[in-house]
Amino acid sequence: KAGVTQTPRYLIKTRGQQVTLSCSPISGHRSVSWYQQTPGQGLQFLFEYFSETQRNKGNFPGRFSGRQFSNSRSEMNVSTLELGDSALYLCASSLEGQEAFFGQGTRLTVV
Amino acid sequence: QQQVKQSPQSLIVQKGGIPIINCAYENTAFDYFPWYQQFPGKGPALLIAIRPDVSEKKEGRFTISFNKSAKQFSLHIMDSQPGDSATYFCAASLADNKLIFGAGTRLAVHP
Repeated sequence: KAGVTQTPRYLIKTRGQQVTLSCSPISGHRSVSWYQQTPGQGLQFLFEYFSETQRNKGNFPGRFSGRQFSNSRSEMNVSTLELGDSALYLCASSLEGQEAFFGQGTRLTVV
Repeated sequence: QQQVKQSPQSLIVQKGGIPIINCAYENTAFDYFPWYQQFPGKGPALLIAIRPDVSEKKEGRFTISFNKSAKQFSLHIMDSQPGDSATYFCAASLADNKLIFGAGTRLAVHP
């Protein structure tokens, strides 16, 4: 069974640009969550989608948004990038409950 | 109240030793407590998890001890190996699937 797949693995963007990250969950998993990992703030919850609906949201500005498609694949978008958005963005999928499996992440660098 | 406090920040043990990582929480509504292992350049991997109705859980060389009254839980790694050198994160969640992570413990197991 394939794990959680995130693309791309690495991204370099310029301040002010926007970026879209993609996540394909484990087959059969309907819940997809996104996390931001930085050395200073650690792992922080961004949002969770289940059956195409945002079910939970963390404390991030509105520049961070996401969506989920009918095949459970999810995308995360960050608009008007700031230097502080440089981070490892992680996607996790779960069947329905709390057992979450993470992908390898997308390393975003904002210059 | 939503925080999970993890200690120590870093830990060095000799091969065969038993590193112990501790976490404490405030919110008594948390009902799921997982531990994740992360290697450099990789996403966190779920190691073992426990619910508050159980005081101990073992999976291979990994054991979680849970003290509900003290609101603390810990990870013990038996017969530690150099390959266990990684960063370990504890986490807690409510039924909403939002994981609150500790700050992480960097473990080094020396041969």
